[in-house]
Amino acid sequence: AQSVTQLGSHVSVSEGALVLLRCNYSSSVPPYLFWYVQYPNQGLQLLLKYTTGATLVKGINGFEAEFKKSETSFHLTKPSAHMSDAAEYFCAVPAPHSGGYQKVTFGTGTKLQVIP
Amino acid sequence: KAGVTQTPRYLIKTRGQQVTLSCSPISGHRSVSWYQQTPGQGLQFLFEYFSETQRNKGNFPGRFSGRQFSNSRSEMNVSTLELGDSALYLCASSFQGAYGEKLFFGSGTQLSVL
Repeated sequence: AQSVTQLGSHVSVSEGALVLLRCNYSSSVPPYLFWYVQYPNQGLQLLLKYTTGATLVKGINGFEAEFKKSETSFHLTKPSAHMSDAAEYFCAVPAPHSGGYQKVTFGTGTKLQVIP
Repeated sequence: KAGVTQTPRYLIKTRGQQVTLSCSPISGHRSVSWYQQTPGQGLQFLFEYFSETQRNKGNFPGRFSGRQFSNSRSEMNVSTLELGDSALYLCASSFQGAYGEKLFFGSGTQLSVL
């Protein structure tokens, strides 16, 4: 079944440094991939969405993700970390065999800590 | 436009009790999904409703049930609560609940079972 794997449950970066959060998908190329962010005591918010054919996907708050078929990866990056980026980030993919309807499989999440 | 509203924000129950959580989707959204979030299992899909019909269900016991009303508002119910049901329950809405559609999440209901 289609799933995503997030490497690193915790990532720490200094303010102003590059943010790199890793996500790899399994099996065949999915038609969609997502990155969601969850700030403390809040629900999830969509950062960006990949659709078939895209390579570099730009999202909100300066984040972007590059789809690499050869590496089965969809890593999330931001050139310069802000204190406000401290949150938990989830990679996600629509579940197969969902009858064409809404059912999403989430990765285990990566908590980003930004050090001043 | 108001976002997804979940009530209550916090709940404390004891084992064996039952609980009902409520979710009001964004106006115009007809699909409502429920997810359970725990530190150990992460985010797990519970079920999805569209036009008062359950279209998908996750791997949860029958103690977990839900329904959707004609105004798209949804409720989920957990009967005979167990300690392991302690979790953040998140509701998400989307326009049609189509495959690959963006989800809009509420802030969740934090359920503690003692």
